[in-house]
Amino acid sequence: QSALTQPASVSGSPGQSITISCTGTSSDVGGYNSVSWYQHLPGKAPKLMIYDVSNRPSGVSDRFSGSKSGNTASLTISGLQAEDEADYYCSSYTSSSTWVFGGGTKLTVL
Amino acid sequence: EVQVLESGGGLVQPGGSLRLSCAASGFTFSSYAVSWVRQAPGKGLEWVSAISGSGGGTYYADSVKGRFTISRDNSKNTLYLQMNSLRGEDTALYYCAKQVGALVFYYMDVWGKGTTVTVSS
Repeated sequence: QSALTQPASVSGSPGQSITISCTGTSSDVGGYNSVSWYQHLPGKAPKLMIYDVSNRPSGVSDRFSGSKSGNTASLTISGLQAEDEADYYCSSYTSSSTWVFGGGTKLTVL
Repeated sequence: EVQVLESGGGLVQPGGSLRLSCAASGFTFSSYAVSWVRQAPGKGLEWVSAISGSGGGTYYADSVKGRFTISRDNSKNTLYLQMNSLRGEDTALYYCAKQVGALVFYYMDVWGKGTTVTVSS
């Protein structure tokens, strides 16, 4: 049950777009369309941003989008805003009937 | 409003036990699987355990298998995590997370704010 691989940090200026990658294996990311992304601010509950690879829950800005190719999923945030600064985690269902998270990516808005 | 609220955290000595609870409201509890997810200080999120809506299916991370037991009481809308043989590496903020269907392969949509467990002598 190794954690999915995410970059430790990414940054961008307001208005720019950034992409966070999430790499797993054929036993998790590559094998299921059960990849979700969470935004996490210190002291708060994680917030679901993307589910089932590319679907946005009601209320989440359409600036957030998700995709997957092979064993790597990606979260793209377009039109970056200061309020997007947070930690982002991917997660995937696995062939062991468990869930696995990525190590997390700290997004800094410059 | 759909909510989950964790409780039961605290300071415990290595080798000790603790039981966490998660009270659910605003939805039909028995229709949804629920997971425990933890975050150690300075670390990322780690999935710990999940249980199906009926309670008939339980699943664990290798790091807690044999030491932790997940259970639920659907008549009380409450999820539990019995933690035994606690170790320093179990020190973390423990979150309860509702999943969007009765089976554990559904993603987690609603999370609580967590309860802190500290394992130290």
